Amino acid sequence: DIVMTQTPLSSPVTLGQPASISCRSSQSLVFSDGNTYLSWLQQRPGQPPRLLIYKISNRFSGVPDRFSGSGAGTDFTLKISRVEPEDVGVYYCTQATQVPYTFGQGTTLEIK
Amino acid sequence: EVQLVESGGGLVQPGGSLRLSCAASGFTFSSYWMNWVRQAPGKGLEWVSTITSGGSERYYLDSVKGRFTISRDNAENSLYLHMNSLRAEDTAVYYCSRLQLGVTGQDYWGQGTLVTVSS
Repeated sequence: DIVMTQTPLSSPVTLGQPASISCRSSQSLVFSDGNTYLSWLQQRPGQPPRLLIYKISNRFSGVPDRFSGSGAGTDFTLKISRVEPEDVGVYYCTQATQVPYTFGQGTTLEIK
Repeated sequence: EVQLVESGGGLVQPGGSLRLSCAASGFTFSSYWMNWVRQAPGKGLEWVSTITSGGSERYYLDSVKGRFTISRDNAENSLYLHMNSLRAEDTAVYYCSRLQLGVTGQDYWGQGTLVTVSS
């Protein structure tokens, strides 16, 4: 199974300041079709997960452009350029390259 | 608008059974793979099972193999998870999600249904 490891597990940030979350996979996420199926999800308190970024760097419909994704192979990053109050929650990286589809442990974003 | 609505959760004794349902609308259900993902109280997300668009292939988390069965009814736009021999560690909110393979991955999620396994 592919293990997804996120750092940090908790990130206190100041409103208006940037935030960054890293995700490392235990093996390459490049699929046989050449694509890398690494996504980022946001889960606000009491809510279901919501897709933010797919295939490393593509923002999903309705996602603000302050969210961006980057990386390749086994190392990936989610960046928030300026944190807003509604960004509080838990962020997960997840891979859909290989079954079982696995998730990182989650990173809790909180406001200082 | 894509909507996924889960139902069927509840309190069940260890060793008992439950069937979860997920009603889909707003997209061509029969064209998409579908997933069940669970989240134990205060914990992270754990993939449980996936079924292909036509239902011919099914994949399971090792710890639920032989106990859980995923199925779908494309005529009714519904996804199911039949859970048998339930254990305390199966206690979780169960989400259904749409899987757009090769494109957006797990892109839409339902609100979830809570399954509590306890005597």
